[in-house]
Amino acid sequence: EAGVTQFPSHSVIEKGQTVTLRCDPISGHDNLYWYRRVMGKEIKFLLHFVKESKQDESGMPNNRFLAERTGGTYSTLKVQPAELEDSGVYFCASRYSGAGPDTQYFGPGTRLTVL
Amino acid sequence: EDQVTQSPEALRLQEGESSSLNCSYTVSGLRGLFWYRQDPGKGPEFLFTLYSAGEEKEKERLKATLTKKESFLHITAPKPEDSATYLCAVPMDSNYQLIWGAGTKLIIKP
Repeated sequence: EAGVTQFPSHSVIEKGQTVTLRCDPISGHDNLYWYRRVMGKEIKFLLHFVKESKQDESGMPNNRFLAERTGGTYSTLKVQPAELEDSGVYFCASRYSGAGPDTQYFGPGTRLTVL
Repeated sequence: EDQVTQSPEALRLQEGESSSLNCSYTVSGLRGLFWYRQDPGKGPEFLFTLYSAGEEKEKERLKATLTKKESFLHITAPKPEDSATYLCAVPMDSNYQLIWGAGTKLIIKP
């Protein structure tokens, strides 16, 4: 079974540019989460989808961040325009809310560097 | 406010030298405590979930335990391949958005 995949693995952009990160969850997982880890800090929650609906976006830093989940499958996280403080590693995780453990499975992350 | 604190920040051990990592938490209504392992350049890899005080889980050289205020990850006779950052997290509500500790970086020297 394929795990959570993320693309790109690394992105370097200039301040003011736009970047779109993509996450493909494990097939059949209805919950999808985005998290971010900035240098020296702990991982922080950004937002949560259940299927195609945003369940909670309380962790999104500001309106420069826009997340979508098309048809309840893959998700994109767009940052527009990017600022220096947006640099960090962005993780995506998925979880199946049916019977069984409540474990989230993580992708390898996208390392975003804003210059 | 819900909070997770891990200690120590870093731990260097000789191969075979057992030790424990700590994760203390403050959360209203524990819905589980999760331990993950993270290798450089990779995402967190699930290790254990603990749901109630007194619960213990084991996997190879690792054993996780839980009390009402903290969890310990015990590492017995570690090997260099156990070197990684160990993270603990708790759900902030029933939707399982996770609150994370900062992690303990474990280095096992041969």
